[in-house]
Amino acid sequence: GQQVMQIPQYQHVQEGEDFTTYCNSSTTLSNIQWYKQRPGGHPVFLIQLVKSGEVKKQKRLTFQFGEAKKNSSLHITATQTTDVGTYFCADFTSGTYKYIFGTGTRLKVLA
Amino acid sequence: NAGVTQTPKFRILKIGQSMTLQCAQDMNHNYMYWYRQDPGMGLKLIYYSVGAGITDKGEVPNGYNVSRSTTEDFPLRLELAAPSQTSVYFCASSGQVNYGYTFGSGTRLTVV
Repeated sequence: GQQVMQIPQYQHVQEGEDFTTYCNSSTTLSNIQWYKQRPGGHPVFLIQLVKSGEVKKQKRLTFQFGEAKKNSSLHITATQTTDVGTYFCADFTSGTYKYIFGTGTRLKVLA
Repeated sequence: NAGVTQTPKFRILKIGQSMTLQCAQDMNHNYMYWYRQDPGMGLKLIYYSVGAGITDKGEVPNGYNVSRSTTEDFPLRLELAAPSQTSVYFCASSGQVNYGYTFGSGTRLTVV
């Protein structure tokens, strides 16, 4: 079945450093969503990418969809302690009504 | 609006017991989902519903049942609880099939 992998699994950065997580699939990605889950919390929707090569920004966060729709990435510029959490991508399963979530990248920011 | 409300927040079950996890949303969303998240892991889809009276299995449905008699409510039933069902359960809803999900705050279930 469809699998959505994220790398890295964990990342520790010093506050102020940049951070990037990548989302890859065994099949062509359809429609990517990104979520953030704070420790002990629930996932919160961040953004959706639909078109190949699409780039969207939210303040220090930049989201990108690969030209071939094989991967997606989330880049955080100058991390802050408030960025701590796990970032998940989710791919829409064509022909169904559901998203499959990636394995997640856990980010720790050291002050 | 309350969004997606899950009850209870915490529960400890003994092996073989049954329980129902409640999920309600007040956004008139047709699409609702149940996920489980094991410690340090990702989200696995248990069941989902595209509207009242319509449900379907996700990736890990064994040991669970659902019903959707109204648009607002989507309860998840655990029969004969097993330690492998120890997890955090999240309910989510969406207004359209490919819109972002709104998640509830979760139910932390321990089976001993």
